[in-house]
Amino acid sequence: NAGVTQTPKFQVLKTGQSMTLQCAQDMNHEYMSWYRQDPGMGLRLIHYSVGAGITDQGEVPNGYNVSRSTTEDFPLRLLSAAPSQTSVYFCASSYTRRTNTGELFFGEGSRLTVL
Amino acid sequence: GENVEQHPSTLSVQEGDSAVIKCTYSDSASNYFPWYKQELGKGPQLIIDIRSNVGEKKDQRIAVTLNKTAKHFSLHITETQPEDSAVYFCAVRGAGSYQLTFGKGTKLSVIP
Repeated sequence: NAGVTQTPKFQVLKTGQSMTLQCAQDMNHEYMSWYRQDPGMGLRLIHYSVGAGITDQGEVPNGYNVSRSTTEDFPLRLLSAAPSQTSVYFCASSYTRRTNTGELFFGEGSRLTVL
Repeated sequence: GENVEQHPSTLSVQEGDSAVIKCTYSDSASNYFPWYKQELGKGPQLIIDIRSNVGEKKDQRIAVTLNKTAKHFSLHITETQPEDSAVYFCAVRGAGSYQLTFGKGTKLSVIP
């Protein structure tokens, strides 16, 4: 049981390049989400999904796209990378989408640097 | 949206002492309050949580207390050990919401 797997762990991009951060979970979780972590800013929600084919925006969605074609996978796409997107990105999933419970399981993070 | 304030941002304690981290939130309808621990180079991991119908919850050396009237909750770690050194995040889930809103984190250092 691998849990939440993120790839790549490290990536350097040039401004304007595009890329996809991959996230996969093997726990049959309905809920999946992407957060970014910046120094002094905590964890901020980018996008989330409550099931295959359903996605929604979080607090800081601009510059990012997501899709959820399967229960297991939730990729995050950077369309045209900017230095402001330099951050550590975490994918997290939860067993239940009931609103008053549900432990979030996090991946180990993907550190992205945009030059 | 929900606003979560976490204090202090850094905390140093001697091994064996207690540590307390506090969070306040803005939405009185919020009903789920977890705490996460993040070790260096890893993703956050749930250590304890509390729901709005409970005032206190304990798990060995850690406890969480919730004051719904004042809209704040706290993490208490007793008999701290060096392995407790990490960044701790509080979070809040509003009623009818799927998302967790996180505080900015507290870096706890336990000095041997």
